[in-house]
Amino acid sequence: DQQVKQNSPSLSVQEGRISILNCDYTNSMFDYFLWYKKYPAEGPTFLISISSIKDKNEDGRFTVFLNKSAKHLSLHIVPSQPGDSAVYFCAAGDDKIIFGKGTRLHILP
Amino acid sequence: GAGVSQSPSNKVTEKGKDVELRCDPISGHTALYWYRQSLGQGLEFLIYFQGNSAPDKSGLPSDRFSAERTGGSVSTLTIQRTQQEDSAVYLCASSLGHSGAAYEQYFGPGTRLTVT
Repeated sequence: DQQVKQNSPSLSVQEGRISILNCDYTNSMFDYFLWYKKYPAEGPTFLISISSIKDKNEDGRFTVFLNKSAKHLSLHIVPSQPGDSAVYFCAAGDDKIIFGKGTRLHILP
Repeated sequence: GAGVSQSPSNKVTEKGKDVELRCDPISGHTALYWYRQSLGQGLEFLIYFQGNSAPDKSGLPSDRFSAERTGGSVSTLTIQRTQQEDSAVYLCASSLGHSGAAYEQYFGPGTRLTVT
């Protein structure tokens, strides 16, 4: 029973365009949401987060949107750069953190 | 300052042997997590320690897996009688706490376990 779902295992986006990564969750008690980025052979690194009391948080090229009624959040990266190629994990917490299975993002030259 | 460290970085063991994986969290972080990432899979939650509370062991896949956290700092994940399906990268993470921005976890580089 996955509480945090990333339904797209992979995504390819042209360099310079917008990358949109999606995440759905089932537990309405989650009060904090996070995105992590992972390169091969490294541990995940924190990217951006959002509290359940907000619907948008922006940090440079990265913006996270939260739609609580739909239990959906998304990460927008614009413009996409080659170094953004990685696996992106969505995570949510109401005490402990639960991760999705990840989406592999390929930025095409 | 030092981040989360894990040892060993790689471990090859024979099926049936016991292994211990170590995690040194960031000093002052009260929350510590263990995750497992099998080839091509996402992050599978294993166990969570928060301060002096009883650990949340709900993610441990079998009773061959156990973990402890001594003195609220270093943690050891033990796998007894290893099986080939235990082969994975085991990741440890720590965070300041368990609400709001304190959720933000810092991950170690992981231990790659191979069971032959």
